[in-house]
Amino acid sequence: GAVVSQHPSRVICKSGTSVKIECRSLDFQATTMFWYRQFPKQSLMLMATSNEGSKATYEQGVEKDKFLINHASLTLSTLTVTSAHPEDSSFYICSARGQGFGEKLFFGSGTQLSVL
Amino acid sequence: KNQVEQSPQSLIILEGKNCTLQCNYTVSPFSNLRWYKQDTGRGPVSLTIMTFSENTKSNGRYTATLDADTKQSSLHITASQLSDSASYICVVRVASGTYKYIFGTGTRLKVLA
Repeated sequence: GAVVSQHPSRVICKSGTSVKIECRSLDFQATTMFWYRQFPKQSLMLMATSNEGSKATYEQGVEKDKFLINHASLTLSTLTVTSAHPEDSSFYICSARGQGFGEKLFFGSGTQLSVL
Repeated sequence: KNQVEQSPQSLIILEGKNCTLQCNYTVSPFSNLRWYKQDTGRGPVSLTIMTFSENTKSNGRYTATLDADTKQSSLHITASQLSDSASYICVVRVASGTYKYIFGTGTRLKVLA
């Protein structure tokens, strides 16, 4: 099956710094990528949907200036948490769908962000 | 409002036993329903994807059912193993021009030796 590589798997940063999380589709072209946030013992919450080459569509309540999403190529999407604060600490996961895989969604392995 | 509800929230079973997880949804228009397994600290992995016309789909020891009339789905795990300990998430895709998925809150399964 297709693989989505997400890194870093874990990041600890100081409050006020920015953190970039990358998701790469290794063996397919990801026409659409999704970014989620997950709190402990809760399900995934969609943050935004991005199509290659266009601006991301953010879910209601998600600050687009806080969570910058770039999907500049068919194999790479990035999520940058700007000026991170402790309340941004969470598990962030990406998923992708691509041509030739029908309805399948492929998820990255997630990034645990801890802001001190 | 589009919603996906799962039950139970958590479940503990002994290794070798069977179990069934439930998913009720109020999603319209419906496109498909999928079950994912998520190990702690990892991304979800697809188990099954079912469309409106499919009643049952199996993937090894995992068997999913779908009743589109009652808007219910179940995931049956046979002969559970310790490695089945994970969260199981039911996700329904909305049939629309965009890719919109409604996630359930998940069932946390713990299999004990």
